[in-house]
Amino acid sequence: DGGITQSPKYLFRKEGQNVTLSCEQNLNHDAMYWYRQDPGQGLRLIYYSQIVNDFQKGDIAEGYSVSREKKESFPLTVTSAQKNPTAFYLCAITPLTGPGDYGYTFGSGTRLTVV
Amino acid sequence: AQSVAQPEDQVNVAEGNPLTVKCTYSVSGNPYLFWYVQYPNRGLQFLLKYITGDNLVKGSYGFEAEFNKSQTSFHLKKPSALVSDSALYFCAVRALNSGNTPLVFGKGTRLSVIA
Repeated sequence: DGGITQSPKYLFRKEGQNVTLSCEQNLNHDAMYWYRQDPGQGLRLIYYSQIVNDFQKGDIAEGYSVSREKKESFPLTVTSAQKNPTAFYLCAITPLTGPGDYGYTFGSGTRLTVV
Repeated sequence: AQSVAQPEDQVNVAEGNPLTVKCTYSVSGNPYLFWYVQYPNRGLQFLLKYITGDNLVKGSYGFEAEFNKSQTSFHLKKPSALVSDSALYFCAVRALNSGNTPLVFGKGTRLSVIA
């Protein structure tokens, strides 16, 4: 997972609490993505950003918020409005310019558990 | 709309036997196709991709995939399975001229290689 760092690895949230997951990259990639992974449901897109100070909702954005104040950082906040936040959260990055299409580089993930 | 189907939740194969993990896709126009592998509590790792050119794509760890446009399939294959290949495999797609829209992932197929 070189070049992209997710922290913390494990996170516990109490009912009604907001928590923030960190995603940092040093590869100078343009685009950053947040996915949620649940058993049997694959990866579902929460938010993504292709440029600083701009981001787009994915398929399951409700109860989540993001910011992109710096190119290297794309934090995800899980708000109290997210009723079932227990999941594995994955951050991914990709460049958007160059000679060909690129796949994503993924972080090692954050496992969030509601206690 | 783009979509990916991985029809098998689980594939079991004996060590040394060939393996196939199936993927079919739906996009408007030509596709970019990817395979990723995930080990427990880790992020996804890139295996291989198809953009243009030869229909048989070779990737990491001895894996290959065959692009079949008429059947809209991109099945992952390996001639001789290893126990260490046991993991969760994801197929992903996006359209060639989709303006950098995010990848769409399948639900994943769990591969179990039995010694």
